Formats: sequence, C-alpha cells, structure tokens
Amino acid sequence: EDQVTQSPEALRLQEGESSSLNCSYTVSGLRGLFWYRQDPGKGPEFLFTLYSAGEEKEKERLKATLTKKESFLHITAPKPEDSATYLCAVRANSFTSGTYKYIFGTGTRLKVLA
Amino acid sequence: DGGITQSPKYLFRKEGQNVTLSCEQNLNHDAMYWYRQDPGQGLRLIYYSQIVNDFQKGDIAEGYSVSREKKESFPLTVTSAQKNPTAFYLCASREGGAEKLFFGSGTQLSVL
Repeated sequence: EDQVTQSPEALRLQEGESSSLNCSYTVSGLRGLFWYRQDPGKGPEFLFTLYSAGEEKEKERLKATLTKKESFLHITAPKPEDSATYLCAVRANSFTSGTYKYIFGTGTRLKVLA
Repeated sequence: DGGITQSPKYLFRKEGQNVTLSCEQNLNHDAMYWYRQDPGQGLRLIYYSQIVNDFQKGDIAEGYSVSREKKESFPLTVTSAQKNPTAFYLCASREGGAEKLFFGSGTQLSVL
C-alpha cells in the first residue's frame, strides 16, 4: 500500500538549534516528492520538489534531500518565524484512475522558541 | 496577483442542510482538486477535475458533490449525506504538465 510517514509528529527547538524532519515513503512509481509549509488556519505553501535520489534543494534556512526511501528537511539555525507545520507529499502512479495521485503525510508541527 | 481564492473562511452547517464552498483561481490552471484535512491525518482527496465539464471521485467522495462549468471555478457542495463534515477544506490547482499543487487558504466547516 502506498504510504507516506512523517516524523517526529511535533518538534520544539530553541532559536539557532538545527535539526531535521523526516519523510519516509513507500509508493509505486514515484513522480516527485514535495515539501510544503502550512501555518495555522491557512493553506499549504509550496517549498520544494525533489525527483531523484541524491537530489538536494535549498531555500534560506531550509534544505531538502532525497534518498530512495526517504526525504529530510534540514533546518539550519531556525528562527521563531520558521514555526509551522511542514507537510511532505509524493506524486505517484494511480493504477485505478490511470493518472497520478498525491499522497500526503500527517505533517511535523515545528515550534521554534526565542 | 494570481492565486486561488476560497470562500467563506468559516462556514457553519445545520443538520440536514447542504452547503457550498467556493473555489476560484486566476492562474489559468487546468486541474483543480478538493482535499479534506482533519487533525492528525494527511490531506484526503475528495474530488478532482482535469478539464472543464469533467471531474472524478477521489478517495472520500461520499456525501460531497462538485461541478466544473468554468475553468476558473470548482465549487464543492457538502450534502446532508455527509455525516461528519467538520473539517478544514482545501482547494488546489495544478498547471497542465507541472507537478506541484497550489493551495487556497482553506474553509473551516463546522456543524451547529
């Protein structure tokens, strides 16, 4: 069964304390892995797309990496404004619809304390 | 600015009532989606549409209906058959040939 699992469920960091969020996946025919940031009561905001193992993308304090089984979102020297829920999603083949499907993880709630 | 507009931000439904959530996009995207978000669960697909006048059921379509009469609009109706409608509803769109989804700001639906 296609599945996306994110860990930890919640994470509290002190400002400047670097850490990583994990997204492990089991899908048939990966067609992209996506990271989104979601603030409370708002829609997800796109961060990165990764397509193949070994690929890396960076944006400010965030860096996303991809292996054949998981992706990491590394946060370097986080600030309080980085507090949000980070969602991981994969796009994979859907054999029932003949098109693609998106499978979302449950997210990691990050709180950065000043 | 191009984007996806969802309205209303908050919506309350009485028992036995149908309610409609609005989703409008000016990104000229072909594909549009409706997702439901519940605490502790990943986003679940309700319906999607790849072109005007065509739409398909997602994983949890029971109790919901949609229409796609215009490229810009993809309204979702939560019918009285949906017994547990309280959730955060997200509309998304995707440009043809691209992979990433763009999301609206969501509608929180609650039951009175």
